[in-house]
Amino acid sequence: GAGVSQSPRYKVAKRGQDVALRCDPISGHVSLFWYQQALGQGPEFLTYFQNEAQLDKSGLPSDRFFAERPEGSVSTLKIQRTQQEDSAVYLCASSVQGAISYGYTFGSGTRLTVV
Amino acid sequence: QKEVEQNSGPLSVPEGAIASLNCTYSDRGSQSFFWYRQYSGKSPELIMSIYSNGDKEDGRFTAQLNKASQYVSLLIRDSQPSDSATYLCAVNRYNFNKFYFGSGTKLNVKP
Repeated sequence: GAGVSQSPRYKVAKRGQDVALRCDPISGHVSLFWYQQALGQGPEFLTYFQNEAQLDKSGLPSDRFFAERPEGSVSTLKIQRTQQEDSAVYLCASSVQGAISYGYTFGSGTRLTVV
Repeated sequence: QKEVEQNSGPLSVPEGAIASLNCTYSDRGSQSFFWYRQYSGKSPELIMSIYSNGDKEDGRFTAQLNKASQYVSLLIRDSQPSDSATYLCAVNRYNFNKFYFGSGTKLNVKP
């Protein structure tokens, strides 16, 4: 596809449930980013991949959050034992290596609601 | 102190007026500056980037950067109701692979 694709678009999880969010980046994009956007806030950085290597995971809020990109393309963000404070929109973005300084394009996001 | 600060608004302007949106940042090492527009329920959309002090114009949009004052602004000329959205300011440090976003300013353009 032409853009970054995320699925599911919406996810409702019961507290304590594990969830997996998928990001399909633009073909050929080496860099992939995950952000979390809480209601009324700007996006906050979670983690960054260059190919399959997770080079920065400083933004992951707890050890319940785990991200992977095993073949350097599709990425999955997994949240274990979801809590209400995990309710947010999870945004994925990709870019050509070295192009981050030019900005990047977000996918449509996954809206996670924990009940 | 937050990395990027924005007034949450809402900022209300009449159709056809100039909307002025402002942003300050805390890290003098910041090198790249961006404005994103976010419609309700949608993901942020990149509208402008600026890297050097001064003004950069793109259609009805002008970004202004003052590194000495650590200040970025976005001017929207001839505002239209379709410009009503939340505007997010983002900054990036050289060689850092993350953006720091402000909380956004909500703009309402009244017909």
